[in-house]
Amino acid sequence: GAVVSQHPSRVICKSGTSVKIECRSLDFQATTMFWYRQFPKQSLMLMATSNEGSKATYEQGVEKDKFLINHASLTLSTLTVTSAHPEDSSFYICSARSIGAADTQYFGPGTRLTVL
Amino acid sequence: SQQGEEDPQALSIQEGENATMNCSYKTSINNLQWYRQNSGRGLVHLILIRSNEREKHSGRLRVTLDTSKKSSSLLITASRAADTASYFCATDEGGKLIFGQGTELSVKP
Repeated sequence: GAVVSQHPSRVICKSGTSVKIECRSLDFQATTMFWYRQFPKQSLMLMATSNEGSKATYEQGVEKDKFLINHASLTLSTLTVTSAHPEDSSFYICSARSIGAADTQYFGPGTRLTVL
Repeated sequence: SQQGEEDPQALSIQEGENATMNCSYKTSINNLQWYRQNSGRGLVHLILIRSNEREKHSGRLRVTLDTSKKSSSLLITASRAADTASYFCATDEGGKLIFGQGTELSVKP
């Protein structure tokens, strides 16, 4: 089956630093990847849609200058949380949609970000 | 993003019993999907039902969809302790998945 990986799985950083999270589709090509954020005991909130070779589309209320998304290839999208603050601590999950299966998104295992 | 509502928010049952979770949404959809998430982990896709389908089965799972009421239900039959997890519905709205609030299911042995 289609596999999506995320790296790192956990990261702890100091307030004010930037953190990069990678999302890779391991055995398929993904023209579109999605980034979600999940706070404890809450649901997933879509942050942005990332299309290969073009600018990401951000959901209302998500600061594009704070959450930088780059989708440089058909198998890799990165999310950079710039100048992270404690309120950015969350579980970040990516998903990827295969070129040949528009209905299906494959989810990564998530990255737990803790900002001290 | 609009989010659907799920009920109940939490459900506690004994092993062997059936568990039913409901999901309501607000807009037109292409399909509706159900996912499971174990604590602190990623999502596992359970089942997808298209807007022109009314019912779908997969093993111990049964999903219904009523587009006139904008609602769906997930039934897990003969539950097991391993079914303990959070369950989310997600509607496909123009290619974007919009998740419901989730139901936290606890199955006691």
